[in-house]
Amino acid sequence: QVHLVESGGGVVQPGRSLRLSCAASGFTFRNYGMHWVRQAPGKGLEWVATISYDRSNGYYADSVKGRFTISRDNSKSTLYLQMNSLRADDTAVYYCAKDESYVSSWVDYWGQGTLVSVSS
Amino acid sequence: QSALTQPPSASGSPGQSVTISCTGTSSDVGGYNYVSWYQQHPGKAPKLMIYEVSKRPSGVPDRFSGSKSGNTASLTVSGLQAEDEADYYCNSYAGRNTLVFGGGTKLTVL
Repeated sequence: QVHLVESGGGVVQPGRSLRLSCAASGFTFRNYGMHWVRQAPGKGLEWVATISYDRSNGYYADSVKGRFTISRDNSKSTLYLQMNSLRADDTAVYYCAKDESYVSSWVDYWGQGTLVSVSS
Repeated sequence: QSALTQPPSASGSPGQSVTISCTGTSSDVGGYNYVSWYQQHPGKAPKLMIYEVSKRPSGVPDRFSGSKSGNTASLTVSGLQAEDEADYYCNSYAGRNTLVFGGGTKLTVL
């Protein structure tokens, strides 16, 4: 079955960087678009970024555009999120999510999430 | 990229039906049949309940149903059970390979 395992979260100071990873298994990773979705403490879900199946394009929410970069290594079935210039309002649980299509239509599977806390 | 609008809360007694609305625009909910719904219990990851407006994944009880009219999608839970108490989020494709979520609805089973 589909398994998505995020890692790389932790406590980081404002302005610093962090890279999240998501190891995927149970499906042909290279055939599907992937997303990062976050959830601030006590808040709702917020779409962050999407990458196409072939790494050709990344798409971003306005709130992270220019600061975050989504990437993937299909040879390792791994998704990444490079987060730069972190701010306090980036504090959230970050979920890795699989799309049903080769780019973006809807999410069919979610990881368990990794917590990022931005604090001085 | 404005969030879809959901009521903050909804409730019903066991066995009753409850409907949660999700209002967007013609650029998201009204423009595509890629509306999905997710159930999230406290401390857990979201779980897909409905996709493509009204389709149920394997394993989701048929008590859960979805529909759409214009710019508003709806999730109906019939025959409420205690385990249905959770947060529910709608989601829509919003063009240019972007997604948008609703603010979430806390469903309470009285």
